[in-house]
Amino acid sequence: AQSVTQPDIHITVSEGASLELRCNYSYGATPYLFWYVQSPGQGLQLLLKYFSGDTLVQGIKGFEAEFKRSQSSFNLRKPSVHWSDAAEYFCAVGAGYSNYQLIWGAGTKLIIKP
Amino acid sequence: DGGITQSPKYLFRKEGQNVTLSCEQNLNHDAMYWYRQDPGQGLRLIYYSQIVNDFQKGDIAEGYSVSREKKESFPLTVTSAQKNPTAFYLCASSLQTGRTEAFFGQGTRLTVV
Repeated sequence: AQSVTQPDIHITVSEGASLELRCNYSYGATPYLFWYVQSPGQGLQLLLKYFSGDTLVQGIKGFEAEFKRSQSSFNLRKPSVHWSDAAEYFCAVGAGYSNYQLIWGAGTKLIIKP
Repeated sequence: DGGITQSPKYLFRKEGQNVTLSCEQNLNHDAMYWYRQDPGQGLRLIYYSQIVNDFQKGDIAEGYSVSREKKESFPLTVTSAQKNPTAFYLCASSLQTGRTEAFFGQGTRLTVV
């Protein structure tokens, strides 16, 4: 069965430090991959997506993610975090035309230390 | 502006009452979804709809009902049969199910009092 794992429930990073949030998926073919961000009490906003082509994708707010097929991973990175990046981040996998839904990770809450 | 509108933002319900959450989109998307979000559990799919007048149960459909009479609208009714309805509910839409990104509303927080 398809699944998405975000191993870190919480991550604490100092402002200005680099960030990497992990996402691993289980799926037989090349999936459609997404990262979303959610501020408290709000809906989710798409940060970036990967469908095909260049495995390093750029998103909004200075985020990027790299698709590594050999590791079944799609980790999210940012070189220097800002206090406004504090939020919850969700990785999701879409499995193509025949699949009716996105499969979601449980989320990683990012805490920024001043 | 195109987007998804959920209303109300906060909703209080007495035990034993049904309540309907509104979701409207003007993105001309075919697919619409309802998710439930509880702390530490990510998003769980309640119902989804790929086209008008058709919808399918998701992973946690018990105690919920939906309708899709118009492309733009996908209301969710939380019935008295839902044992633990207090949660944050998110509506989303996408061009195609599973293959394109979903756009989300701002959510409705339902509290049973």
